[in-house]
Amino acid sequence: DAGVIQSPRHEVTEMGQEVTLRCKPISGHDYLFWYRQTMMRGLELLIYFNNNVPIDDSGMPEDRFSAKMPNASFSTLKIQPSEPRDSAVYFCASSLGAGTGGSQPQHFGDGTRLSIL
Amino acid sequence: AQSVAQPEDQVNVAEGNPLTVKCTYSVSGNPYLFWYVQYPNRGHQFLLKYITGDNLVKGSYGFEAEFNKSQTSFHLKKPSALVSDSALYFCAVPNTGGFKTIFGAGTRLFVKA
Repeated sequence: DAGVIQSPRHEVTEMGQEVTLRCKPISGHDYLFWYRQTMMRGLELLIYFNNNVPIDDSGMPEDRFSAKMPNASFSTLKIQPSEPRDSAVYFCASSLGAGTGGSQPQHFGDGTRLSIL
Repeated sequence: AQSVAQPEDQVNVAEGNPLTVKCTYSVSGNPYLFWYVQYPNRGHQFLLKYITGDNLVKGSYGFEAEFNKSQTSFHLKKPSALVSDSALYFCAVPNTGGFKTIFGAGTRLFVKA
């Protein structure tokens, strides 16, 4: 059974370029989460979706960041324009939430390591 | 608001010795509590969870955790540590409503051969 799949695994690009991170959640999961992890700030929740609808984007740092979920099997996180301070590991996670009251764990992808030069 | 705290940034233990990684929680109502592990260059992996019932929960890789309501703790334990257990460990709790997960800051476990 495939887990959460993220691509690319590594991305190095120059400041000002557009960056698109991709995520395929586990089939049947109705929640999808985007996180950012850095040494300084630890794991930060950026945005999450329920049934493809964005529910809470209060963690998105600024307007340069946007996320979409056009269907149940695909989501993107876009940074435009990118800046060096965006360098981090970005994780996507999915979970089964409906009717579980939070009793189900999140399943994480292996992340995209993003370096902005 | 729901929260968890991991009081130790780092835990060092010798291989073969028992290990404990500490977590305390603050929740309203009955808590759901989780432990995750993160190996280098990997995402967080679910280890175990407490929902209700037996206070001693068994999980993956020989880990277990003890739920203690009076001390509001949910410490992660293993009777005999392996070098391969060296990783980052996160305690977590769902937020009110259960749709987000609140993660602790993480504890780095070093197991020395």
